[in-house]
Amino acid sequence: NAGVMQNPRHLVRRRGQEARLRCSPMKGHSHVYWYRQLPEEGLKFMVYLQKENIIDESGMPKERFSAEFPKEGPSILRIQQVVRGDSAAYFCASSPLDTDSGNTIYFGEGSWLTVV
Amino acid sequence: GNSVTQMEGPVTLSEEAFLTINCTYTATGYPSLFWYVQYPGEGLQLLLKATKADDKGSNKGFEATYRKETTSFHLEKGSVQVSDSAVYFCALRWGFKTIFGAGTRLFVKA
Repeated sequence: NAGVMQNPRHLVRRRGQEARLRCSPMKGHSHVYWYRQLPEEGLKFMVYLQKENIIDESGMPKERFSAEFPKEGPSILRIQQVVRGDSAAYFCASSPLDTDSGNTIYFGEGSWLTVV
Repeated sequence: GNSVTQMEGPVTLSEEAFLTINCTYTATGYPSLFWYVQYPGEGLQLLLKATKADDKGSNKGFEATYRKETTSFHLEKGSVQVSDSAVYFCALRWGFKTIFGAGTRLFVKA
């Protein structure tokens, strides 16, 4: 059973370019979460999606960031016009259910974005 | 709102020493509690979890007990190894959102 798959693992972008990070959840999981980890910091919740729906985006910056989870294909986290402060590790996680608190979320290996 | 507070690191121990990493939480209702471990350059791996008060989660020699009266979920291991060097995150889950502590870095010296 493949785990949560993220790509690319490492991405370098110049300031002003766009970054696209992809996440395929574990088989059987229909709920996806994105977290950001700044250097030497903890994980900050960004967004929670189900297929074709954004359920909670309270942690997403208001500008330049967007996320989607289409009916077919992986979830995408898109960062437009990147700035140096966007340099971080972006982690995707998935779970099979949303309201059952006992359910664990499982993480991918992360995508490390470096903005130069 | 819900929150998780962990002891600050880094924690440096010698091999075979006893480990405690403190974690306390604030939550409405009865969340599930988790410990995750992150090795350098990798994602977070679930270490153990507990879903209700007085539950003890355990894995690979690590254990933690869900203490409702003290709102704590301290991580312990009786004898650490060099390979345990990593960052440990305490987390709570209530509804769909999982909230993480800031993480505690552990260094184990041979």
